[in-house]
Amino acid sequence: QQQVKQSPQSLIVQKGGISIINCAYENTAFDYFPWYQQFPGKGPALLIAIRPDVSEKKEGRFTISFNKSAKQFSLHIMDSQPGDSATYFCAALSTGTASKLTFGTGTRLQVTL
Amino acid sequence: DSGVTQTPKHLITATGQRVTLRCSPRSGDLSVYWYQQSLDQGLQFLIQYYNGEERAKGNILERFSAQQFPDLHSELNLSSLELGDSALYFCASSADRGETETQYFGPGTRLLVL
Repeated sequence: QQQVKQSPQSLIVQKGGISIINCAYENTAFDYFPWYQQFPGKGPALLIAIRPDVSEKKEGRFTISFNKSAKQFSLHIMDSQPGDSATYFCAALSTGTASKLTFGTGTRLQVTL
Repeated sequence: DSGVTQTPKHLITATGQRVTLRCSPRSGDLSVYWYQQSLDQGLQFLIQYYNGEERAKGNILERFSAQQFPDLHSELNLSSLELGDSALYFCASSADRGETETQYFGPGTRLLVL
């Protein structure tokens, strides 16, 4: 059962544009929501993360928006750059219990010139 | 560089064989996690060890097993390999049992079963 649904599967954005990736979860026990960035041939790397007690977190050009009532969260990449071209995974974790990160299916982002 | 190392980087083997993947966590990290990444299943959690003991289990097949040694490195053993086991296998580590979240991923081992 897919507990974290991610969309879109792929995304093409022009340089300078805004990239938006959405995720929805089902398990209300999840209380930590990280985003990972993965370049070809590399392991996923933590990009930014949020807890449900805040509705938004911003780090540089990356912002997570969180809607607890809708059980949805999204990643916004402002001023997208070609170097942002990668696969992005949302994930969810229930801290304090068996710590299994549940990943979304990934979004392949391509930023064109 | 996350500080997590994995060997080998690539592995090609035949069906029915057994392989061992190795992971060294970041210095000081006590937890090691194993993940499988395939095109059709995405990133799937397999198993976690904390300070030598199994802490959490995910979608790990009975043909697969893992252990964490006193020096905290971990090995993932895959036996009776099938074509469908071809995938990227990632190891991640964290400082604690997982309650505070941050997992750092290694570069992965790409396994190809022919």
